[in-house]
Amino acid sequence: DAGVIQSPRHEVTEMGQEVTLRCKPISGHNSLFWYRQTMMRGLELLIYFNNNVPIDDSGMPEDRFSAKMPNASFSTLKIQPSEPRDSAVYFCASSWDQGLGGSYHSYEQYFGPGTRLTVT
Amino acid sequence: GQQVMQIPQYQHVQEGEDFTTYCNSSTTLSNIQWYKQRPGGHPVFLIQLVKSGEVKKQKRLTFQFGEAKKNSSLHITATQTTDVGTYFCSGTYKYIFGTGTRLKVLA
Repeated sequence: DAGVIQSPRHEVTEMGQEVTLRCKPISGHNSLFWYRQTMMRGLELLIYFNNNVPIDDSGMPEDRFSAKMPNASFSTLKIQPSEPRDSAVYFCASSWDQGLGGSYHSYEQYFGPGTRLTVT
Repeated sequence: GQQVMQIPQYQHVQEGEDFTTYCNSSTTLSNIQWYKQRPGGHPVFLIQLVKSGEVKKQKRLTFQFGEAKKNSSLHITATQTTDVGTYFCSGTYKYIFGTGTRLKVLA
């Protein structure tokens, strides 16, 4: 299995530009997560999809951020317009989650290699 | 909202010394996961604990889930240089990750 695939691995862009990060989860997994990691804020959950449906997007910083999962094998995280404070490593992760009566019993998350975003 | 704090934030140990990191949640957790992230890498799953008071071992690593399911610990016996990295706990109900403990092992 190739694992979770993310692209690009590195992105350098100027403030105001649109940035699109891509993720291919592990085949058979039904949950996909986008995280952002910075020294100051640690590892933050941005959004979580289950069966391609956004379940919790409370971590999305603001309207400049949007995420989609058009099918079980692809997701995008878009930032428009980008700002220097968006500079971080963005991780995508996937897992098999089984929701039982409102309490999610999740299995391990498999993380992709991350995209290091620098906004100048 | 739910918060998951880890202590210490940093730990430097001499190779061969033991190491422990603690994870504390403001709310009861359904289960807890531990991950390790090597410098420049991505988090890698280590283990999941589900039951109150559960203890699991992986070679030199011992994981414990508190009786109240609000805290957990990871203990490494006789650290090695390969143990270097940041250790995170995650309260899986809201997929919130702890603040992490960065371990440095001095040879």
